[in-house]
Amino acid sequence: AQSVAQPEDQVNVAEGNPLTVKCTYSVSGNPYLFWYVQYPNRGLQFLLKYITGDNLVKGSYGFEAEFNKSQTSFHLKKPSALVSDSALYFCAVRDGNTGNQFYFGTGTSLTVIP
Amino acid sequence: DTEVTQTPKHLVMGMTNKKSLKCEQHMGHRAMYWYKQKAKKPPELMFVYSYEKLSINESVPSRFSPECPNSSLLNLHLHALQPEDSALYLCASSRPGQLSPYGYTFGSGTRLTVV
Repeated sequence: AQSVAQPEDQVNVAEGNPLTVKCTYSVSGNPYLFWYVQYPNRGLQFLLKYITGDNLVKGSYGFEAEFNKSQTSFHLKKPSALVSDSALYFCAVRDGNTGNQFYFGTGTSLTVIP
Repeated sequence: DTEVTQTPKHLVMGMTNKKSLKCEQHMGHRAMYWYKQKAKKPPELMFVYSYEKLSINESVPSRFSPECPNSSLLNLHLHALQPEDSALYLCASSRPGQLSPYGYTFGSGTRLTVV
C-alpha cells in the first residue's frame, strides 16, 4: 500500500535559521515525490518534485529536498527561513510503476518566528 | 496560461439549495480532479476525470454530482448538502496517464459553507 507520513504536525523555527520539514513514504514501486505549500484559504502550490536523477532537488522560493532511498525519506529544507514561509506543507507520493493516485501526508504547519 | 481557475471563491448555501462549483483550465491537461479539504487536513480525493470520462469516484455521496462538459471545464453540482459538507473544495488538473510523473496544478479553491 502507498502512504506518506509527516511525523510533525507543527514546526517552529526562528527567522534566518535553517528549516526542515520531514516526510517518509512507502510505495511498492518507484516513488514520484512532491512537496506542496498551502497558504490560508488558498489552493496547494507546487514547490518541487523528485522523479529520478540527483537526490537533491531544488525548487521554488529557495526550497530543496533530499531523496534518501535507504531511509525512504524526502525531507524539505531551506537554509534560511523567512517569516513569509509560514504555511502548511504537504508531502505527496505517486507510485511510478503502478500509476496509483496521489497520496498526501497529513501536513505540517510551519511557523517562522521573527 | 498555467492556472486552474475556480469560481466562486466563497459560497454560502442552505441545505435545500442547489448550487454549482466551476473549474477551468487551459493548459491542455486531460485529467481533472475534485478534492475536499477540511481545515489543516490533507485534501481528500472525491472524483477523477480522465479524457472527460469519470474514472474514479471515491464513494462520494450522491448529493455531490460531478460533470466534465469538455476538456477545459469541470463542474461540481451540489444539492441537499449537510453542514458537515462545509469545506474548501479544490479542483486540480494534470497530464493524464497512470505512469505520468507530473504533479497536479491546483486552483485556489471554493470555500463552501452550508447553513
